[in-house]
Amino acid sequence: QKEVEQDPGPLSVPEGAIVSLNCTYSNSAFQYFMWYRQYSRKGPELLMYTYSSGNKEDGRFTAQVDKSSKYISLFIRDSQPSDSATYLCAMGSSNTGKLIFGQGTTLQVKP
Amino acid sequence: DGGITQSPKYLFRKEGQNVTLSCEQNLNHDAMYWYRQDPGQGLRLIYYSQIVNDFQKGDIAEGYSVSREKKESFPLTVTSAQKNPTAFYLCASSAPTGPQPQHFGDGTRLSIL
Repeated sequence: QKEVEQDPGPLSVPEGAIVSLNCTYSNSAFQYFMWYRQYSRKGPELLMYTYSSGNKEDGRFTAQVDKSSKYISLFIRDSQPSDSATYLCAMGSSNTGKLIFGQGTTLQVKP
Repeated sequence: DGGITQSPKYLFRKEGQNVTLSCEQNLNHDAMYWYRQDPGQGLRLIYYSQIVNDFQKGDIAEGYSVSREKKESFPLTVTSAQKNPTAFYLCASSAPTGPQPQHFGDGTRLSIL
């Protein structure tokens, strides 16, 4: 079993839809959680970073962490064609400093 | 602007050849990382370095080597021992290891001739 599981998609939605991207993990030592967005032929860019259970909102993006269920989500409201990209979840613990990445979910938002 | 610069953007390797990928950062970060990205497999850690003159193997270090002689530079050599080198290579850096996000360059795509 992989430490981090992420549905690779692809996921295709119409413009304006609410998108939900999810990851599950097995290592209860993970303490901090991130979401990255990666456009084609580019490096990942940090979208959201959270260190606790609950919700964190930034504009159209909301990151949700449920440590009891070992489950994290990224919600995108009012999705735009410019949101079309691959989204990677990542998580780690302070005792190692390394990040473990999910496989990435490819999202296409159609105009 | 502060950031991470990877070069070249595209690289081709002949059989039996070693090639070196460059990674430079001006973020004043102590920690630097090399990842390999293959389709559908996410990012896999090759090597990482927390301070100058020190580095550790990641999950897939075989066939790769690194050096960390300067804080801002962390070059990766793909040796001829790496039998399947075709991939997208990403370099990242972060503040001292711990709960800090990593910042990425725009990658080098390596292919075999």
